[in-house]
Amino acid sequence: QLQLQESGPGLVKPSETLSLTCTVSGGSISSSSYYWGWIRQPPGKGLEWIGSIYYSGSTYYNPSLKSRVTISVDTSKNQFSLKLSSVTAADTAVYYCARHPYQLPTIDPWGQGTLVTVSS
Amino acid sequence: QSALTQPPSASGSPGQSVTISCTGTSSDVGGYNYVSWYQQHPGKAPKLMIYEVSKRPSGVPDRFSGSKSGNTASLTVSGLQAEDEADYYCSSYAGSNNLVFGTGTKVTVL
Repeated sequence: QLQLQESGPGLVKPSETLSLTCTVSGGSISSSSYYWGWIRQPPGKGLEWIGSIYYSGSTYYNPSLKSRVTISVDTSKNQFSLKLSSVTAADTAVYYCARHPYQLPTIDPWGQGTLVTVSS
Repeated sequence: QSALTQPPSASGSPGQSVTISCTGTSSDVGGYNYVSWYQQHPGKAPKLMIYEVSKRPSGVPDRFSGSKSGNTASLTVSGLQAEDEADYYCSSYAGSNNLVFGTGTKVTVL
């Protein structure tokens, strides 16, 4: 059974870079047909897609976040990572990693999510 | 890209049906048959309930059904049960490699 697990600091200072890693278990991140994505949810608010990556390194990002987002993949570790630069309090959210087919919003499975708070 | 529009809340008594709408534009919901629905209980990750407008993943009860007409997609939960009380989100492909979510609907079982 495929499982995803987010990891990284739970507290980031304003203007710094948020960094998270998603570890995939129970399957290979190099499997064809699937992209690996990041989605976030501010406390009490809705979901926002951040961006996604293929095992080859091909990426696509939410246009509203594109200038601050970098997603990378490490197939040797079966992991993919998120970097979000110049964070503000508005970036405080639960960050989820997940799998989905190219371009399709068929997102399954999801990681359990990790809360990242931006505060000094 | 703007979030898809959902009603903030919906409710029904046990055994009844509730329908949630998800309104977008011809650039997202209306342009593609790629609409999904997610159920989210408090403190939990979203769970895929419907994909490609009306398909159910294995394990999802057939009480959950999806449809689409024009720029509006809908999720219907029939035979409401207490465990169906949750937040529900729609999502759609929005062209140009974009994915967009709905604003979310809180379903209450009275």
